[in-house]
Amino acid sequence: QVQLQESGPGLVKPSETLSLTCTVSGVSISSYYWSWLRQPPGKGLEWIGYMHYSGSTKYNSSLKSRVTISVDTSKNQFSLNLTSVTAADTAVYYCARDRPGEGYFDPWGQGTLVTVSS
Amino acid sequence: QSVLTQPPSASGTPGQRVTISCSGSSSNIGRNFVYWYQQLPGTAPKLLIYRNTQRPSGVPDRFSGSKSGTSASLAISGLRSEDEADYYCVTWDDSLSGVVFGGGTKLTVL
Repeated sequence: QVQLQESGPGLVKPSETLSLTCTVSGVSISSYYWSWLRQPPGKGLEWIGYMHYSGSTKYNSSLKSRVTISVDTSKNQFSLNLTSVTAADTAVYYCARDRPGEGYFDPWGQGTLVTVSS
Repeated sequence: QSVLTQPPSASGTPGQRVTISCSGSSSNIGRNFVYWYQQLPGTAPKLLIYRNTQRPSGVPDRFSGSKSGTSASLAISGLRSEDEADYYCVTWDDSLSGVVFGGGTKLTVL
């Protein structure tokens, strides 16, 4: 079955770039769209953006100036880069399979906590 | 402030029926499918209802979704202790051109 696993640093300094990778298994990453989402501690969920291996991307307008989502088809992975982070970017970050234009996310990775602190 | 409005909390006793509402607008729920996710404590969200009323395989038929106009609802019948979780409604917003979430409803089984 399809499985996703997030990986990356758990601590990032303010003003630096947050970089995470999602490794997909059980299906070719070229077959679907893929998204990043996040959840600050004790708060609700927020969609960050999606990508397709063809290069198509769409980002949450509130984060668009700082976000890049890219793909490495050779490794069946996709990545998130979020620049100029602040404490407000502290969250559990999830990757998930997506159907663009709907709000469909299934399955999800287990999530990884990223803390922004000096 | 979330684009979709959900009650912050709901509760019920075992066996009861509980409904959770999700209110939006013509640019989101009024034009697009609604999805519901269940998030058990300390775990990733799980797809519960898709395209307003459909259940993925493995989701008990105690869970049902509905949509009318710019609002949607999730109903849970025969409430069980393991249903205690946070529930989120989600849809696409044509004006924002992005996915929007409700703020989540924490369901407590008394």
